[in-house]
Amino acid sequence: DAGVTQSPTHLIKTRGQQVTLRCSPISGHKSVSWYQQVLGQGPQFIFQYYEKEERGRGNFPDRFSARQFPNYSSELNVNALLLGDSALYLCASSSNPGATNEKLLFGSGTQLSVL
Amino acid sequence: AQKITQTQPGMFVQEKEAVTLDCTYDTSDPSYGLFWYKQPSSGEMIFLIYQGSYDQQNATEGRYSLNFQKARKSANLVISASQLGDSAMYFCAMREGPDNDMRFGAGTRLTVKP
Repeated sequence: DAGVTQSPTHLIKTRGQQVTLRCSPISGHKSVSWYQQVLGQGPQFIFQYYEKEERGRGNFPDRFSARQFPNYSSELNVNALLLGDSALYLCASSSNPGATNEKLLFGSGTQLSVL
Repeated sequence: AQKITQTQPGMFVQEKEAVTLDCTYDTSDPSYGLFWYKQPSSGEMIFLIYQGSYDQQNATEGRYSLNFQKARKSANLVISASQLGDSAMYFCAMREGPDNDMRFGAGTRLTVKP
C-alpha cells in the first residue's frame, strides 16, 4: 500500500506569491494533518482535517489555509509568502483522530524556498 | 513554554553499541501520549514507538525501547545494536490528552560510526 504522498517535492517562490501544496493520505485514513518544519527545529502543527472539516488549527496567520476533499486528499495554501515561510511542509495521515494514541504517519514533505 | 525538551543536539555512537536519546516533557494532564520519530535526510518522519501515560510497562519495538520514568517526566529512547542506517534526526513528541495536536521537541542528530 502506498504511504502518504505529497507534491511537489520542491518549490521555489518569491515573496508575495501564493503556493498550494498537495497531500494524499494512506488509503483508509480520513484525517490529514499539516506541519511546518523550519530548518533546525521540530515540526510545528498547522492544521488537522477530518471528514472535510477542520478539527484543529495551530498558531499560524490567516495567510495559511487548507481544505480536504471528498477523497480525503488535502491542500495547504499559503498566500502573500514571506521569507520566513521557507520550510519543509509535512503532511501526515491517521486513522484515529482525536485519540491520545493517535499515530501520525508522515509523507516526505514539500521543501518550500521563498526568495 | 517548551513542552518537550531534547537536551542533546548531537550524539555519536559506535556501530553495534546501544545509545540513549534523552527527552523530558512538561504537562499537568494525567492522560498523554509520548512518541518518537526518526527523520533521515530524505525528510520523511518515520514513527518508531509510542508510550501512553497509563501504560505500566515500557514500550518496545524491535531494537527500540522507551525508558519511561513518569515521576521524572522523562521518556528516553534506547536504540540497541546501532546500525549505520540509524544515523538520522530523532524527535520526541507528546500529545496531551485527546483532541490535542502533537508537539515536537527540537530533535537530536544521531551519527553512527563504523
